[in-house]
Amino acid sequence: EAGVVQSPRYKIIEKKQPVAFWCNPISGHNTLYWYRQNLGQGPELLIRYENEEAVDDSQLPKDRFSAERLKGVDSTLKIQPAELGDSAVYLCASSLDRGLSTEAFFGQGTRLTVV
Amino acid sequence: RKEVEQDPGPFNVPEGATVAFNCTYSNSASQSFFWYRQDCRKEPKLLMSVYSSGNEDGRFTAQLNRASQYISLLIRDSKLSDSATYLCVVNRGGGFKTIFGAGTRLFVKA
Repeated sequence: EAGVVQSPRYKIIEKKQPVAFWCNPISGHNTLYWYRQNLGQGPELLIRYENEEAVDDSQLPKDRFSAERLKGVDSTLKIQPAELGDSAVYLCASSLDRGLSTEAFFGQGTRLTVV
Repeated sequence: RKEVEQDPGPFNVPEGATVAFNCTYSNSASQSFFWYRQDCRKEPKLLMSVYSSGNEDGRFTAQLNRASQYISLLIRDSKLSDSATYLCVVNRGGGFKTIFGAGTRLFVKA
């Protein structure tokens, strides 16, 4: 079974430029997460979807970040404009449901460098 | 203070050693607990869930103390391949939040 697929794996952009990340979750997984992981830190949740509905976006910097999950499958995360502090690894994860004991499966992440 | 805190590390141990990691959480509404493993430049992967009764998977033992809001992971007979970062993860209700600790880095040396 294919895992969570993310693209691109790496992205280098100049500050103030836009950037987008794409995620394809495991087939049948209703819940999709976007996390940001800074060096030496654990992942921090940006947004969580249940099907196509964003149910927790409290940590998403809405002035520059946006996300969508059309048709409740693939998702994109966008940053516009990017700032130097946005350099991090952006991880997408999916789980079968929102249950508290449900394992989340992560993609390999997109490593963003803003210069 | 962070909601989930882990030993700062890094831990440097010889092969065959026993090593223990600790994790504390501050929100008493936390309901489920996990240890994830993350290799360098890789994604986190579930190592094991943590149950109130404690659970063991081969060389790995996880314990939960709800009264003290404390989780532990014990690795016996460490292998070189155990070198990784171990992330403590807490799920809590009231909005279903998943909180990751900052991770503890383990280096196992020959």
